[in-house]
Amino acid sequence: NAGVTQTPKFRILKIGQSMTLQCAQDMNHNYMYWYRQDPGMGLKLIYYSVGAGITDKGEVPNGYNVSRSTTEDFPLRLELAAPSQTSVYFCASSQGTSGRSVDTQYFGPGTRLTVL
Amino acid sequence: AQSVAQPEDQVNVAEGNPLTVKCTYSVSGNPYLFWYVQYPNRGLQFLLKYITGDNLVKGSYGFEAEFNKSQTSFHLKKPSALVSDSALYFCAVRDINSGNTPLVFGKGTRLSVIA
Repeated sequence: NAGVTQTPKFRILKIGQSMTLQCAQDMNHNYMYWYRQDPGMGLKLIYYSVGAGITDKGEVPNGYNVSRSTTEDFPLRLELAAPSQTSVYFCASSQGTSGRSVDTQYFGPGTRLTVL
Repeated sequence: AQSVAQPEDQVNVAEGNPLTVKCTYSVSGNPYLFWYVQYPNRGLQFLLKYITGDNLVKGSYGFEAEFNKSQTSFHLKKPSALVSDSALYFCAVRDINSGNTPLVFGKGTRLSVIA
């Protein structure tokens, strides 16, 4: 099992550019999440999905979009990059919210994004 | 609403001494509680969780945490700290009756173990 994989690992964008952060998991998890981590600010939830075709906003969704066409993939789209989106982005997945596996999230290695 | 607080930004401890990283939570019902660890330039790794049952939960790398309902706390502990335990630690909570609502994470506590 590769677990949760993210690409790219690093990226520098110019203001106004667009990009897609890729996330994939091979654990057949129903739930997937996108977080951003700013220094000293902990994790903030951007979007999450409880299954293919279903997405929902988290705490800080503005400036981002997501889609979930398959169980495995959960890409995050930045349409018009801004310096405020400079951060480390983590994708995570979990089996679900019931049973002994409840909520245990597995995280990818992260994407470090700089917007200049 | 559900929330979690980690009152210390930084905890320093000497190698071999016991360590405690504090976490308090607020939920309207009963909680699911988690601890995660993040090493430099890595994603978060699951350490342990409390779902139900025994209030003392044992996890990876010799860590344990005690669920205290009256104090709404879930402090992370280890009897003897190692330099390799130096990392960023996150507490997370979810109300068991909150449906599909995701976990809420604390801001993190940086643990520094000094040789």
